[in-house]
Amino acid sequence: DTAVSQTPKYLVTQMGNDKSIKCEQNLGHDTMYWYKQDSKKFLKIMFSYNNKELIINETVPNRFSPKSPDKAHLNLHINSLELGDSAVYFCASRLGQGATDTQYFGPGTRLTVL
Amino acid sequence: GDSVTQMEGPVTLSEEAFLTINCTYTATGYPSLFWYVQYPGEGLQLLLKATKADDKGSNKGFEATYRKETTSFHLEKGSVQVSDSAVYFCALSDRGTNAGKSTFGDGTTLTVKP
Repeated sequence: DTAVSQTPKYLVTQMGNDKSIKCEQNLGHDTMYWYKQDSKKFLKIMFSYNNKELIINETVPNRFSPKSPDKAHLNLHINSLELGDSAVYFCASRLGQGATDTQYFGPGTRLTVL
Repeated sequence: GDSVTQMEGPVTLSEEAFLTINCTYTATGYPSLFWYVQYPGEGLQLLLKATKADDKGSNKGFEATYRKETTSFHLEKGSVQVSDSAVYFCALSDRGTNAGKSTFGDGTTLTVKP
């Protein structure tokens, strides 16, 4: 059973389009995250939810909007896509907000904006 | 704020060579420390962790010791294999006001040649 899954795995789209990425975890965790990884492998946190409540909202353009319908799901919607949005987006989950908790990552969604 | 500085890559080694990837951190609280590994085309996964000073994390022949006096968590392996080729991320997870947020280093790409 996949612990953290993301769909789609690849997403190729034109500038200006709107797209969504979905994430689901079956670990029973309370906390979920979205990260962006650029071509140099730098990992940047974007958002975090704890029990469907937004707790981390880094400096991200407001074209990016997360949504957590329940604590097992965290989706990411992106409006008006730009070239600079091309990256790999990772979803992750964690048991809670404890400092010792391990994060579990999904396989990533490679977004290419043409 | 919290930060993690790890050795710049890329690092290229021959099989059976000794590996060290340096990692130092600054944190406002008393963090837990992690090493995550990302194999090509995959998400990050936990390699090892240590939650208090002088703890040693170990897994798959890799080790790292939490050194509070030097604020370091260097990753070592005595004899690397081709299959260890990956990107390695040092990370910390703090307590208190930063609870729930992990800080990642920039990643170090390791290539092991036969």
